[in-house]
Amino acid sequence: EAGVTQFPSHSVIEKGQTVTLRCDPISGHDNLYWYRRVMGKEIKFLLHFVKESKQDESGMPNNRFLAERTGGTYSTLKVQPAELEDSGVYFCASRGLGTGELFFGEGSRLTVL
Amino acid sequence: GDSVTQMEGPVTLSEEAFLTINCTYTATGYPSLFWYVQYPGEGLQLLLKATKADDKGSNKGFEATYRKETTSFHLEKGSVQVSDSAVYFCALSRSGGSNYKLTFGKGTLLTVNP
Repeated sequence: EAGVTQFPSHSVIEKGQTVTLRCDPISGHDNLYWYRRVMGKEIKFLLHFVKESKQDESGMPNNRFLAERTGGTYSTLKVQPAELEDSGVYFCASRGLGTGELFFGEGSRLTVL
Repeated sequence: GDSVTQMEGPVTLSEEAFLTINCTYTATGYPSLFWYVQYPGEGLQLLLKATKADDKGSNKGFEATYRKETTSFHLEKGSVQVSDSAVYFCALSRSGGSNYKLTFGKGTLLTVNP
């Protein structure tokens, strides 16, 4: 069974540009989470989808970040326009219904120059 | 709010040495506690967990005991191997809720030399 996959693994962009990160959860997992680790700091929760609905988006830093999960399968996280402080590793995780374990992807490293 | 504090790294050990990575937490109620590990080039993996006071989580020779009186969940291993080199994250979850949202520590880089 395939795990959580994320794309791209690394993206380097200029300040002001747009980047879209994609996450494919484990098939059948209704719960999908986005987290972010800025250099030297904790991994922070961004938001949680249940199917296509945003259950909790309390961790989204500002309105430059837009997450979607159309159809309740894969999810995208768009940063527009990107700022220097957005650099970090963005992790996606998924969880099946009724289970407590989150399965994480390898992360997408974003570098904003 | 909830927070997790774990010992600053990096930690460098020789093979077969004893490992302790300290972790303390602040949270209301009775959180579940976790250790996640990230090996080079891989995603975060759940290493072990404990859901109530005095529970001991264990896996791959690693252990951690949920100590409510000291709000701690220290990770230990009696004899580390080179393959244990990774970043270790302590985390908690308010598992009483339905979202399983995790609060992480900053991570501790462990390097084990042959």
